[in-house]
Amino acid sequence: KQEVTQIPAALSVPEGENLVLNCSFTDSAIYNLQWFRQDPGKGLTSLLLIQSSQREQTSGRLNASLDKSSGRSTLYIAASQPGDSATYLCAPLNRTGANSKLTFGKGITLSVRP
Amino acid sequence: EPEVTQTPSHQVTQMGQEVILRCVPISNHLYFYWYRQILGQKVEFLVSFYNNEISEKSEIFDDQFSVERPDGSNFTLKIRSTKLEDSAMYFCASSRDSPEQYFGPGTRLTVT
Repeated sequence: KQEVTQIPAALSVPEGENLVLNCSFTDSAIYNLQWFRQDPGKGLTSLLLIQSSQREQTSGRLNASLDKSSGRSTLYIAASQPGDSATYLCAPLNRTGANSKLTFGKGITLSVRP
Repeated sequence: EPEVTQTPSHQVTQMGQEVILRCVPISNHLYFYWYRQILGQKVEFLVSFYNNEISEKSEIFDDQFSVERPDGSNFTLKIRSTKLEDSAMYFCASSRDSPEQYFGPGTRLTVT
């Protein structure tokens, strides 16, 4: 059974700082991994998807890396802004045939101080 | 840009009542999912649906729950007799060939 851990649970940084959010998972037989953003009381916005064959994926100021064999992924946010304040969720996807499901971590709540 | 929509945004119901949560997935998507998030907890997988049948369900998805695709556009989650512990945010998601899942804004279900 896949278990996902995201540490720390919360992080507060000053604006402009570069930061790394960590995710670890127990079952390395993943198909891909998605990083999501969740604003309070809102839905999940997909930020990046990394296929299991990839090591990195970039979108704007965001860069996600994946080390499948060690069960780790990181989300790098460059030059953080107050608008980046949200909860960031990591979710590896396990797939067998037509069945696939995401397993979520509890997320890291990021606060970027102006 | 196409998106997943869900209605209602908030549903309040009394314990023991039946509720139906509705979702309109992205139109050319083939795989559909329901997840839930109890306040302060992780997002949890409930069920996946493909080709008009359940592909996989979690241990949470017991006989009280059912899913249906009644027409070519809607995907519904029915809870037959709601319990207090069913109070949560319910998210619908869909995907096409790529397993990247796109989530709707959620329905907040409050059982009193």
